[in-house]
Amino acid sequence: QVQLQESGPGLVKPSQTLSLTCTVSGGSISSGGYYWSWIRQHPGKGLEWIGYIYHTGNTYSNPSLKSRLNLSVDTSKNQFSLKLSSVTAADTAVYYCAREDSSSWSLDSWGQGTLVTVSS
Amino acid sequence: QSVLTQPASVSGSPGQSITISCTGTSSDIGGQKHVSWYQQHPGKAPRLMIYDVSNRPSGASNRFSGSKSGNTASLTISGLQAEDEAHYYCCSYTTTNTHVVFGGGTQLTVL
Repeated sequence: QVQLQESGPGLVKPSQTLSLTCTVSGGSISSGGYYWSWIRQHPGKGLEWIGYIYHTGNTYSNPSLKSRLNLSVDTSKNQFSLKLSSVTAADTAVYYCAREDSSSWSLDSWGQGTLVTVSS
Repeated sequence: QSVLTQPASVSGSPGQSITISCTGTSSDIGGQKHVSWYQQHPGKAPRLMIYDVSNRPSGASNRFSGSKSGNTASLTISGLQAEDEAHYYCCSYTTTNTHVVFGGGTQLTVL
């Protein structure tokens, strides 16, 4: 049973860069057929897909965030990461990492989520 | 404003069945088989309940079923139980450049 766990600062100042890492256990991030995704949920709101990365480093991002987003993967540590630059209060949200099955494009395993607040 | 449209809330009594609808377009639900449904309890991560319109992942209760007609997907929960009270989100692969789109979520209340 694969498990995912987000880590990173819970408070980021406006205009700075939000950085999160997702550690995968119980399975290899290099196993084929899965993409490694980020999703966020603004307080009291619905879900927004941010982007995904494959173990080869190939990425795909939501066009609304693409210019500020950097996704990376470290297969040696079984981790993948997100960096979102020039953050504003609108980026305050719970950020989830998840495994996305490429045969169904469904998110079949999720991390517990981490709240990131953008405030000075 | 979510791309997929869901009712804000539905309710039912224990033992009853309810259906949650999710309406999109031909770019997403209408033209795709990759429609999924997620259950989210307060303060918890979403959990996959249905994928590819009507398939249940291992561990998901057989009281949950999915279907699709045209641009609308539906999630039906039969034999409602108190533990089913949660938010439910639909999701679809899309041919637009956003990869997948979500519904705004439906709050299910078990009376």
